Amino acid sequence: QGQLQESGPGLVKPSQTLSLTCTVSSDSIVGYYWNWIRQRPGEGLEWIGYIYYTGSTHYNPSLRSRVAISVGPSQNQFSLDVFSVTAADTAIYYCARAPRNCNTGTCYLDYWGQGTLVTVSS
Amino acid sequence: EIVLTQSPGTLSLSPGERATLSCRASQSVSSYLAWYQQKPGQGPRLLIYGASSRATGIPDRFSGSASGTDFTLTISRLEPEDSAVYYCQQYGGSPGTFGQGTKLEIK
Repeated sequence: QGQLQESGPGLVKPSQTLSLTCTVSSDSIVGYYWNWIRQRPGEGLEWIGYIYYTGSTHYNPSLRSRVAISVGPSQNQFSLDVFSVTAADTAIYYCARAPRNCNTGTCYLDYWGQGTLVTVSS
Repeated sequence: EIVLTQSPGTLSLSPGERATLSCRASQSVSSYLAWYQQKPGQGPRLLIYGASSRATGIPDRFSGSASGTDFTLTISRLEPEDSAVYYCQQYGGSPGTFGQGTKLEIK
């Protein structure tokens, strides 16, 4: 139940867009809040934002101007775009689920993907 | 945003001992505090939510408590597989934030 898997390019050039997809297996995205979190090298975890299955979103103010989270491309997927990336966006990116009893995506996270490393470099 | 400060940075203990990990919030988060365990190459695993409720499948060796803005994760009877980094997370304020982690080493 609730297995999540991140996918996307491992290398992105500076100033380009980082695009990742999270695939939810053995479950549906309906009824849940879905989150993106990242972990920069040698640092702690940083919450990026979340999306409800209906499409409503909420972002960390520190990243709001450069990120977008959307549902799709398939019914059991949601995606993250980070625009105009720099080396500071190099990180392991995780997708995670907030449980059904949460009434906001700012909640504890009961299932996580294993993460995918994205390096920003020319 | 709410800052979480975890201590100690590293903890080295032997199997069978008790580990006490601390997390202090810069302002009230009520009981909206979770603990996670992260092993190398893996995503975090939820241990505790609501400051003291164990997540599904978590052994009762793991327990959480709270006193004001101070939170504690206690691991009794340490086992070798408890070696990991432990993070606290608050979700009482937006954005949700994480502590910097405590590395637990089992000798």
